[in-house]
Amino acid sequence: AQSVSQHNHHVILSEAASLELGCNYSYGGTVNLFWYVQYPGQHLQLLLKYFSGDPLVKGIKGFEAEFIKSKFSFNLRKPSVQWSDTAEYFCAVNAPGRDDKIIFGKGTRLHILP
Amino acid sequence: GAVVSQHPSWVICKSGTSVKIECRSLDFQATTMFWYRQFPKQSLMLMATSNEGSKATYEQGVEKDKFLINHASLTLSTLTVTSAHPEDSSFYICSARDPTLDRGSKNIQYFGAGTRLSVL
Repeated sequence: AQSVSQHNHHVILSEAASLELGCNYSYGGTVNLFWYVQYPGQHLQLLLKYFSGDPLVKGIKGFEAEFIKSKFSFNLRKPSVQWSDTAEYFCAVNAPGRDDKIIFGKGTRLHILP
Repeated sequence: GAVVSQHPSWVICKSGTSVKIECRSLDFQATTMFWYRQFPKQSLMLMATSNEGSKATYEQGVEKDKFLINHASLTLSTLTVTSAHPEDSSFYICSARDPTLDRGSKNIQYFGAGTRLSVL
C-alpha cells in the first residue's frame, strides 16, 4: 500500500526566508502527487499537483515542487515566505492505476513570524 | 472551480444519538466521494469511499454499521454516525472528484470545510 512521509512536523520561519518541506512516498508504480494547504479555519485547498511531464511543477502563491522519481520525493519549496503562508501543508499520493484513494502525509505546520 | 459543501459545520450531540453529515458537490456531479476523519494535529484518515448508486467501500478498521454512508445522488453523500459516543468526537471531512475532467485532473479531490462533531 502507498504511504506518505513528511519529515517536518512543525516549521517556524521568519518572513522572506526560503522554505523547503520534505515529502517521501512509498509506491513503486505510477503516481499522482499533490500538495494541499489548510489555512487556519479554512478547508483543504490544492496547492499544486504532479501527474506527468516536467518534474518541476509550479503552483499557486509562488510555491513549487520537484518530483524526483529516484528518491521517491516530492518536496515543496518557496524562495521567500510571507506571513500569510502560515498554514498546515499536506503531501498526498494517489496511484491512478490502482484505486481512487489519495493517501495523505501527517502534515507540516508552518508558522511564519512577521 | 469545483466546490464541495459540507453541512453542518459543527454539531454537538448527546451520547447514544445519531448524527447525519451531508456532503454536496455544488457545480459538478461526483460519482465518487470520500469521507475522512482528522484527529487533532494529525493527518486525514480515509474512512470510506462513497460510490453513487452502490455500497460504500470502507477502510480496514472502520465499522460500517457505525458510520453509515449513503450516496443516493450524483451530488450528495451522507455520513451518519450512529449511536455516537464521546470517542467519536472528531473532525469529519468529505471530498469529491470531478470525473469529467481530463487525465490526471480527475484524481484531484475537492474538499468540504469539514464538520466538527462533539459528543457529550
